[in-house]
Amino acid sequence: TQLLEQSPQFLSIQEGENLTVYCNSSSVFSSLQWYRQEPGEGPVLLVTVVTGGEVKKLKRLTFQFGDARKDSSLHITAAQPGDTGLYLCAGVPIKAAGNKLTFGGGTRVLVKP
Amino acid sequence: DSGVTQTPKHLITATGQRVTLRCSPRSGDLSVYWYQQSLDQGLQFLIQYYNGEERAKGNILERFSAQQFPDLHSELNLSSLELGDSALYFCASSVVSGRVWNEQFFGPGTRLTVL
Repeated sequence: TQLLEQSPQFLSIQEGENLTVYCNSSSVFSSLQWYRQEPGEGPVLLVTVVTGGEVKKLKRLTFQFGDARKDSSLHITAAQPGDTGLYLCAGVPIKAAGNKLTFGGGTRVLVKP
Repeated sequence: DSGVTQTPKHLITATGQRVTLRCSPRSGDLSVYWYQQSLDQGLQFLIQYYNGEERAKGNILERFSAQQFPDLHSELNLSSLELGDSALYFCASSVVSGRVWNEQFFGPGTRLTVL
């Protein structure tokens, strides 16, 4: 069982539709980050959420951190083909040594034109 | 471009061999992290260095070792390679270790293929 569980694992939608990706844990995290990864490339940081209940917006992407800091969600409005990629959530558990990021299994998003 | 560089981009070798992967962090970043990404395992944290010293260890095999040099670049050494070691290896860097919300920036990765 992974410390961070992402759902769904795969999402295929049409351009213009909305989508939500979830990242859940039974552990408390000091922060959660969302990355997007293209095939064969390194993950690119999208956002970091730190405060319980925090909501951050990045153009059409909305990120939310749960009140208890155990979960997070990523919502994309009016998805575009350029949003296609692997979305990863990652967090530093409260009791982790150093700055050890734990990654979720990822959600593969395909936006069809 | 994250500012983190990794060489080589691709590496093809045979079982039993030893390889070295190199990473240069972003200018000013003191921490370097190594990750392994394979199809069935996702992104797995291997090891972290901060200003030349090992700070945290993850699922790193005994056949693997790493170090961070005075100029802050890092090398990941993989020895007695097995077929299952084939994966993408990423390096990431961040400014300061210990600030739990600190952000990590990833390099483009090295794709290792063991034949």
